[in-house]
This record gives sequence, C-alpha cells and structure tokens, in this order.
Amino acid sequence: NAGVTQTPKFQVLKTGQSMTLQCAQDMNHEYMSWYRQDPGMGLRLIHYSVGAGITDQGEVPNGYNVSRSTTEDFPLRLLSAAPSQTSVYFCASRRTGNNGELFFGEGSRLTVL
Amino acid sequence: AQSVTQPDIHITVSEGASLELRCNYSYGATPYLFWYVQSPGQGLQLLLKYFSGDTLVQGIKGFEAEFKRSQSSFNLRKPSVHWSDAAEYFCAVGKETSGSRLTFGEGTQLTVNP
Repeated sequence: NAGVTQTPKFQVLKTGQSMTLQCAQDMNHEYMSWYRQDPGMGLRLIHYSVGAGITDQGEVPNGYNVSRSTTEDFPLRLLSAAPSQTSVYFCASRRTGNNGELFFGEGSRLTVL
Repeated sequence: AQSVTQPDIHITVSEGASLELRCNYSYGATPYLFWYVQSPGQGLQLLLKYFSGDTLVQGIKGFEAEFKRSQSSFNLRKPSVHWSDAAEYFCAVGKETSGSRLTFGEGTQLTVNP
C-alpha cells in the first residue's frame, strides 16, 4: 500500500506566490491533518478534517486554506506565500475509533524567498 | 488545553548504553500517549502508544515506555541503544474521539556514539 503520499517533496517559492501541497491516502481514513515542523518547535497542527466536507483549524491556521472534497485527498493551499511559511510540512491520517495511530507522509520541504 | 514537554533537546549516548527520554504532559482527562521516531528526511513512525491498562507498554525496535499518572510522565526507554536508533523522538498526547487532535512535544534529538 502507498499509505500517505505527499507532493511535491521540495518547492521553492517567491514571496506572494501561491501553491498547493497535495496529500492523498489510500487507507480509507476519515481523519486527515496537516502539520508544519520547525526546529525546536516540534510539529504544529495547521488544519485537520474528520471527513469529506468537514475541516477545522488547528494551532497555526493563518495563511493556509484546506478543503476535503473526497475521503482520499486533503490539499493544503498557500494563497500568498511568506518567508515565515518556510518549513517542512507533513500530512497525516488515521482512522477514527479506538486506534489513534497517525500515519505520516514523508514531508514536503517548502522554502519561501 | 493539552500540552507536551520534552525537557531534553539533545541527548548523546554510547552504543550499548541504556536510554531514557523524558516526556511530561498536561491533560485534563485520561490521555492517549504516543512516541514517534523520525529518521533524517523521513516522516514520523509510531514506536508505541498507551491508551489504558498496563502502564508499561512495549513498542517496536525494543523500546518501552511507562505511563505514570502521578508524575504526568510517559518516558521512553531502551536497555541497549544501537547506532541505528539515532533519530529525533517525539512524544504526543491526544484523546480518541472523532475530532481529536494530537499535540506534539518539541522533540529530542538522539545521537549515538560508537
């Protein structure tokens, strides 16, 4: 199984540009989420979704949009990139129920100049 | 609000030595606790988890962790470290409901000396 697939793995943007980080999972997980990882700060939740058509904000949602039109896909959009959004982004998914284990993608490294 | 603290940013041990990584959490109810490991350039992989029952949980790669409610701790241990254990380790806390979210600690970077 592919698990959680993120694209692209690397991206360089200029300030003000927009882009979408793609995330797809093939495990039929209801819950999907986006984290950003910055040195010394661990992983911080950006947005999450508990099912198609349902999204909610995490700790650091400003500057990011998400949508969940299908169970499989959960794209993260940067509408106007800023240098503060330079980070490594991880998509993660899990079943809802008595399990709780998050499955992570390999990450997308974004640099905003 | 839930929170996790990993007091040690960086730990260095010699290969074959024992290891303990500390994790303290703040949570208003019975927590669900996790340890994840991240190798360089990779995503996070689950080492072990605690939901209920026996407070000593076994995980993959020879790791174990002990839940101590009185100390609000969930420390990760390994009796004998291997060079391949060098990685970053994250403790996380959450609850198992449909809208729950995991809160991660800042991470502990483990270096293993030969």
